[in-house]
Amino acid sequence: EAGVVQSPRYKIIEKKQPVAFWCNPISGHNTLYWYRQNLGQGPELLIRYENEEAVDDSQLPKDRFSAERLKGVDSTLKIQPAELGDSAVYLCASSPGSQSSGNNEQFFGPGTRLTVL
Amino acid sequence: GENVEQHPSTLSVQEGDSAVIKCTYSDSASNYFPWYKQELGKRPQLIIDIRSNVGEKKDQRIAVTLNKTAKHFSLHITETQPEDSAVYFCAVSDSWGKLQFGAGTQVVVTP
Repeated sequence: EAGVVQSPRYKIIEKKQPVAFWCNPISGHNTLYWYRQNLGQGPELLIRYENEEAVDDSQLPKDRFSAERLKGVDSTLKIQPAELGDSAVYLCASSPGSQSSGNNEQFFGPGTRLTVL
Repeated sequence: GENVEQHPSTLSVQEGDSAVIKCTYSDSASNYFPWYKQELGKRPQLIIDIRSNVGEKKDQRIAVTLNKTAKHFSLHITETQPEDSAVYFCAVSDSWGKLQFGAGTQVVVTP
């Protein structure tokens, strides 16, 4: 069974440029998460989707970050424009169930390491 | 919101010894407590988890204990091996499935 797939694995851009990350969750997983992991820290949730609905985007900096999961499968996270402080690893995760099912084990993708110069 | 504290931040052990990492949390409604292992440049991988209706869970050399009253839980690794060297993260989930991670513990197992 394929795990969570993310691309690109690495991205280097100059500040003020746009950047997009793509995630394909494990087949059949309804819930998808985007996290940001700064060096030496734990992942921090940016947004959570149940199917195509964003059910928690309270920590997404909406002035420059956006995300979508149009068909409830793969998802894209965008930053426009990028700032120096956005340099981090962006992790996508998926889980089989929704909050109501109580099955909240999360499986992580390999991440995209973003460097903003 | 939930506040998760993890200690120690670094842990150096001799091969064959045990390692213990502790986490505390603040929200008594939290009900799911996973532990992730992250090797350098790799994805976090779930190694063990426990739910709030269980006090202890064991899987070969790793075990997790949960004290709901005191709001803390611990990861125990016995008979450590060099391949156990990694960063370990505890996490706490509320009833909505939102995971809050600890800051991580860098474990170094020396041969």
